[in-house]
Amino acid sequence: SQQGEEDPQALSIQEGENATMNCSYKTSINNLQWYRQNSGRGLVHLILIRSNEREKHSGRLRVTLDTSKKSSSLLITASRAADTASYFCATDNFGINSGYALNFGKGTSLLVTP
Amino acid sequence: ETGVTQTPRHLVMGMTNKKSLKCEQHLGHNAMYWYKQSAKKPLELMFVYSLEERVENNSVPSRFSPECPNSSHLFLHLHTLQPEDSALYLCASSQDRGTHQANVLTFGAGSRLTVL
Repeated sequence: SQQGEEDPQALSIQEGENATMNCSYKTSINNLQWYRQNSGRGLVHLILIRSNEREKHSGRLRVTLDTSKKSSSLLITASRAADTASYFCATDNFGINSGYALNFGKGTSLLVTP
Repeated sequence: ETGVTQTPRHLVMGMTNKKSLKCEQHLGHNAMYWYKQSAKKPLELMFVYSLEERVENNSVPSRFSPECPNSSHLFLHLHTLQPEDSALYLCASSQDRGTHQANVLTFGAGSRLTVL
């Protein structure tokens, strides 16, 4: 399978703490994306990092990519209760060895308590 | 609202019913997708349409039938489903691959399907 796998499956922290989620994948990629999903809703795109990039920032989000280890991490700094959601990584392998669409993992469920 | 609207939001149907899920996007995208999300499983890609042509079909049972009449609308026709088909069905859209290298998806809120 070419989909990403997130780790941990579940994470519980207190407001103000940082949350780190990891994603591992198996094949070469064009880019890797992180999405967020609130309970029972659709996924929302957060950030994209291309295969030639190592780190990217967007507000309180920091994403790293290590193509040699085939892994990525998403760091949410100074977490808030509103960050409670599931977070998914998605790999884009188009033109390499995969089809048209993104490949998603099972997600990390993040709970931020006040 | 994300610009991708799915109806109905909730659907309960018997195994012999015929129903349809509808997706509409107002983003000017020309690729549309159906994903199935079941508990404890990765999102499963079902169908992809690009410029109104089906470009991917991931071995989905024939009881699911997609229809893309134009680049703004996508349907999933359901017929004689099984209880294990109960899931959240997510529609997404994006710009066609031919114009953009990175494929960023915009999702609808999903249709929660329960098959009795």
